[in-house]
Amino acid sequence: KNEVEQSPQNLTAQEGEFITINCSYSVGISALHWLQQHPGGGIVSLFMLSSGKKKHGRLIATINIQEKHSSLHITASHPRDSAVYICAVIGALSGSARQLTFGSGTQLTVLP
Amino acid sequence: KAGVTQTPRYLIKTRGQQVTLSCSPISGHRSVSWYQQTPGQGLQFLFEYFSETQRNKGNFPGRFSGRQFSNSRSEMNVSTLELGDSALYLCASSLGQSTYEQYFGPGTRLTVT
Repeated sequence: KNEVEQSPQNLTAQEGEFITINCSYSVGISALHWLQQHPGGGIVSLFMLSSGKKKHGRLIATINIQEKHSSLHITASHPRDSAVYICAVIGALSGSARQLTFGSGTQLTVLP
Repeated sequence: KAGVTQTPRYLIKTRGQQVTLSCSPISGHRSVSWYQQTPGQGLQFLFEYFSETQRNKGNFPGRFSGRQFSNSRSEMNVSTLELGDSALYLCASSLGQSTYEQYFGPGTRLTVT
């Protein structure tokens, strides 16, 4: 079993829809990242969470430490949101190291 | 501030050769992490350097090595290349203390033929 599980693997939505991507992890963590990767490979960090909820524009990320679960929500989705979204964690046993363990990613396609 | 830069962006090598990839972190960042991304294995951690010292290493063979210089720039080296080493190699920089925030470079796409 992978330490970080994401669902769904693929998601197709119509423009304007509310989107949720889920991430579950099995280890204690120091922090959780939501990353966005566009075709061509560049990765952008959307959020880093260790508790609670963060919002940036149309994006919202939440984390429940007790349940070892995080969600990424996109409100009013747009075709430019089409990308791979990746959940990644820094394990609590990593100490001072910044070692990320990644989920397999969610391919999001938003249709106009 | 300039972002993380990686050179070269694309590289084609032959099996058995070696390759060196370079990563320049954001100014003031002392931690550089390297990751490999392949279609089959996804993103995997290679190693992290902080203040010229390897702080952590992933589960990769000894053919994969790296170093960090006093200006925090980092290089990774892969010797005796195999077809399976074809991948996107990403580096990420971080202040390295008091925050887990990481900033990714654009990656180097390595093709081994």
